[in-house]
Amino acid sequence: GAVVSQHPSWVICKSGTSVKIECRSLDFQATTMFWYRQFPKQSLMLMATSNEGSKATYEQGVEKDKFLINHASLTLSTLTVTSAHPEDSSFYICSPARGTGGDQPQHFGDGTRLSIL
Amino acid sequence: DAKTTQPTSMDCAEGRAANLPCNHSTISGNEYVYWYRQIHSQGPQYIIHGLKNNETNEMASLIITEDRKSSTLILPHATLRDTAVYYCIVRVAGNQFYFGTGTSLTVIP
Repeated sequence: GAVVSQHPSWVICKSGTSVKIECRSLDFQATTMFWYRQFPKQSLMLMATSNEGSKATYEQGVEKDKFLINHASLTLSTLTVTSAHPEDSSFYICSPARGTGGDQPQHFGDGTRLSIL
Repeated sequence: DAKTTQPTSMDCAEGRAANLPCNHSTISGNEYVYWYRQIHSQGPQYIIHGLKNNETNEMASLIITEDRKSSTLILPHATLRDTAVYYCIVRVAGNQFYFGTGTSLTVIP
């Protein structure tokens, strides 16, 4: 069964709106959450890494004030796209991870397709 | 940054084995090789991973060369549902995944 629940799967909203995406780890306590985005016909790009109870670490070129990440619990992390504009339209994917290391495979959410008009 | 090189696209006849190569010549001793695939508009799906030895599961086989500089993912009997983008990723256990461009596999009826 699914180990990651991501919601919503699809959202359309007006420019200037803030959009929140939720990611739940169903099978284990996720001490770490990875957030990716994917533009059409491109690969997944890591946006940020968050650890439960700590501030997220953002990849170069990703605006931390625009993409707010909250990881307040071991089973839920949220990504808020603030004041979204058309260029933020993309496919956003989360991936929870255990903090114990090891070589366990990571699982990914089914993604959220965000369209800004 | 991605540390792997894969062909951009490949075709495979339905029912035949699909062999997807991956070059990771700069792999470190503690880095694993992972394979994922992504079907259109879905999140990546785990297929298989390995460190040194060849691995097999219900989905595929992973063949890693002795020097670990390359690997091949084998789908033994490709079906139309195997049409997807396949990503080969190397990473140290517990670290982030950085995706390359992957191989777009098309299974032809």
